[in-house]
Amino acid sequence: GEQVEQRPPHLSVPEGDSAVIICTYTDSATAYFYWYKQEPGAGLQLLMSVFSNVDRKEEQGLTVLLNKKDKQLSLNLTAAHPGDSAVYFCAVSNYGNEKITFGAGTKLTIKP
Amino acid sequence: DMKVTQMPRYLIKRMGENVLLECGQDMSHETMYWYRQDPGLGLQLIYISYDVDSNSEGDIPKGYRVSRKKREHFSLILDSAKTNQTSVYFCASSLSRAVSNERLFFGHGTKLSVL
Repeated sequence: GEQVEQRPPHLSVPEGDSAVIICTYTDSATAYFYWYKQEPGAGLQLLMSVFSNVDRKEEQGLTVLLNKKDKQLSLNLTAAHPGDSAVYFCAVSNYGNEKITFGAGTKLTIKP
Repeated sequence: DMKVTQMPRYLIKRMGENVLLECGQDMSHETMYWYRQDPGLGLQLIYISYDVDSNSEGDIPKGYRVSRKKREHFSLILDSAKTNQTSVYFCASSLSRAVSNERLFFGHGTKLSVL
């Protein structure tokens, strides 16, 4: 079945810098890609989702890049601020498949 | 109000006791999920429910069972809890399995400790 590897597990960057989180998936039929954010003591909230025909998507300081050739998905936070400190999860799913496979998560800390 | 509510938030049980985790959603979503979250492993799917009395095993169903008698309510049951079931459990819901690319709505989680 699908496997998703996410790195790094921990990331600390100064306020104002960029942060990049990368996920690698195994199934070439993967069609949907997601990034979720989990703040302390809370459930996951969807940040962005992209379909496989999209290589790049930008929204509110976040950039998602999809490299289907290398089966790699990345999330880039530009000009990070302390409110971005959280655990970030990538997730993927296939066509008509309600099962979503999650990465192990990245704990992002933004240093003031 | 678009909310997934989990009860309780924290629970401590002894090994061998039965555990009931409850989840409700107010969005009339057809599909509901139970995940557990462990450090370094991310979220692992325990069970999926497609609607009332229509449940399917996820990746790690052993030691768990579920009940969905009403669309808005999905329960996770641990009969005779084990220490390795200590984890944070998340319930989630989505509109329908017929709709692709549906986002999941998550509850706040239940932190279960089995001593």
